[in-house]
Amino acid sequence: DAKTTQPPSMDCAEGRAANLPCNHSTISGNEYVYWYRQIHSQGPQYIIHGLKNNETNEMASLIITEDRKSSTLILPHATLRDTAVYYCIVRPDYGQNFVFGPGTRLSVLP
Amino acid sequence: NAGVTQTPKFQVLKTGQSMTLQCAQDMNHNSMYWYRQDPGMGLRLIYYSASEGTTDKGEVPNGYNVSRLNKREFSLRLESAAPSQTSVYFCASKADISISYEQYFGPGTRLTVT
Repeated sequence: DAKTTQPPSMDCAEGRAANLPCNHSTISGNEYVYWYRQIHSQGPQYIIHGLKNNETNEMASLIITEDRKSSTLILPHATLRDTAVYYCIVRPDYGQNFVFGPGTRLSVLP
Repeated sequence: NAGVTQTPKFQVLKTGQSMTLQCAQDMNHNSMYWYRQDPGMGLRLIYYSASEGTTDKGEVPNGYNVSRLNKREFSLRLESAAPSQTSVYFCASKADISISYEQYFGPGTRLTVT
């Protein structure tokens, strides 16, 4: 699986957009980009995933660069409940397991 | 649906004791997983089961055994607990290797080995 690099921590003001970057320069053509988050030591929660195109769902948007070497998770209107550790993971669709690195600790500030 | 449930929520063991962590899912998922998470770290895969009757080692299997009792249940056993196994243990399940991207996680078991 390709390795990912994320900043260890970020702050965001409540109501503003939170943009969380992820570098995955060694990603292969068949590897997807997944985002999970973990709120206060609960089990991780799936957010979104994508291969090449940008994706949007009710939680977030995922922007993947054209060369696929980096991506950005966007929470359009961050709330205090979005304070969590966010994990960027790349793996093939057929892969069995997810490799969770240390992630980015996002703090949403009032 | 309860999703993925884990028991117990908390456990304290002495070095050398044994115990089994229980996990069950009611989503009819084929694949199940056990992870551990040490303080300030990401999750590391211990064992997984692609389907009923099969189990495979993950990244950190030493000191653990697993049993896929049936489609619903996947247990993790520590035969002789060590302080290095102090961690939070998460169970997860996934519908199918080929058609589902999402793993559903349980609430975790917080284990302390003294």
